[in-house]
Amino acid sequence: QKEVEQNSGPLSVPEGAIASLNCTYSDRGSQSFFWYRQYSGKSPELIMSIYSNGDKEDGRFTAQLNKASQYVSLLIRDSQPSDSATYLCAVTGGYNFNKFYFGSGTKLNVKP
Amino acid sequence: EADIYQTPRYLVIGTGKKITLECSQTMGHDKMYWYQQDPGMELHLIHYSYGVNSTEKGDLSSESTVSRIRTEHFPLTLESARPSHTSQYLCASFGLHFYFGPGTRLTVT
Repeated sequence: QKEVEQNSGPLSVPEGAIASLNCTYSDRGSQSFFWYRQYSGKSPELIMSIYSNGDKEDGRFTAQLNKASQYVSLLIRDSQPSDSATYLCAVTGGYNFNKFYFGSGTKLNVKP
Repeated sequence: EADIYQTPRYLVIGTGKKITLECSQTMGHDKMYWYQQDPGMELHLIHYSYGVNSTEKGDLSSESTVSRIRTEHFPLTLESARPSHTSQYLCASFGLHFYFGPGTRLTVT
């Protein structure tokens, strides 16, 4: 079992819709969770971080964390074609918090 | 401003050559990482360091070595390059979150 699991997609949504990206993790001790966006041929860039159960909103983005279910999600409201990218979920190791685990990423396509 | 640099950005080299990929950051971060990523594929951790003179192997050491003599510098060395090493190499540092460098695209012929 991988430490972080994501649906590889592609997830296709029409422009203006809500895109929902999901991530599950296996280490119950994980404390820090991150969402990164990676455009083709580019390096990942931070979208959001979340550390506590519940929702965290930043503009069109909302991260949701449920530690009991070991689940973290990212919602993108009013999706734009420029949101088309691969979204990576990253989680700290519970035992070794110097170590991070990245999911394989979900490819999002926003259709005009 | 967050700055992390990688050189070279592109490298084409023959089999058996020794190469060093450079990575530097100006943020004073203790934690630094090397990842390997093929196009459209996931990130694979090669090495990481949580301070000067500390280095650890990741899940995919890929026959490479690293050193951390100075906080800002974390070079990756391939002693003998092989075609299987052809990939994108991403360096990152961690403060409040990961900061990634622009990457080095390596082709071994």
